[in-house]
Amino acid sequence: DAGVTQSPTHLIKTRGQQVTLRCSPKSGHDTVSWYQQALGQGPQFIFQYYEEEERQRGNFPDRFSGHQFPNYSSELNVNALLLGDSALYLCASSLTNRQVTYNEQFFGPGTRLTVL
Amino acid sequence: AQTVTQSQPEMSVQEAETVTLSCTYDTSENNYYLFWYKQPPSRQMILVIRQEAYKQQNATENRFSVNFQKAAKSFSLKISDSQLGDTAMYFCAFMKQGGTSYGKLTFGQGTILTVHP
Repeated sequence: DAGVTQSPTHLIKTRGQQVTLRCSPKSGHDTVSWYQQALGQGPQFIFQYYEEEERQRGNFPDRFSGHQFPNYSSELNVNALLLGDSALYLCASSLTNRQVTYNEQFFGPGTRLTVL
Repeated sequence: AQTVTQSQPEMSVQEAETVTLSCTYDTSENNYYLFWYKQPPSRQMILVIRQEAYKQQNATENRFSVNFQKAAKSFSLKISDSQLGDTAMYFCAFMKQGGTSYGKLTFGQGTILTVHP
């Protein structure tokens, strides 16, 4: 059973460019959350996708957008890249089950984005 | 809004000894979960232990246990019989229970733990 996978592993972009990061959730999961982790810091919640819609969003500008596909995989897009966008981007998947109050999140290995 | 604070940027321990990592949090919620996650140099974030706020009993998972003090909003992690494989960054995290939480995690800044042979 494959866990959460992310691609690419590393990415180097220049300021002003656009980038797309990809995430495939763990088998059986339908919900994908994205986090940004700056070097030496804790992850910060960007947004969450469920049923192909953005269900919740953290304190990130509109330059950060996403998409979820019918197979539950997800993309994170960042436009007009800034030097401060350099970070590890983590994807986490879970199964939304309203019968329980807790649905464990499983994290992928992340994509390291460097903006020059 | 919730905040999570880890005041120990780095800790070190000798193999086979015990170490405690500290975490405090601030919230106005009454129902929530607290977690400790481990992030080894390989970067994959792994759940170590989970505590439900409504449970008075402290959670334990093998060598890992927590000291949950709800009134003090304190949540520390004790690692017994430390092993070299425990070397990692440890994050304390908060999740509001139910409602519109949808599983959003709020993380602390992390504590780098190094286990020395």
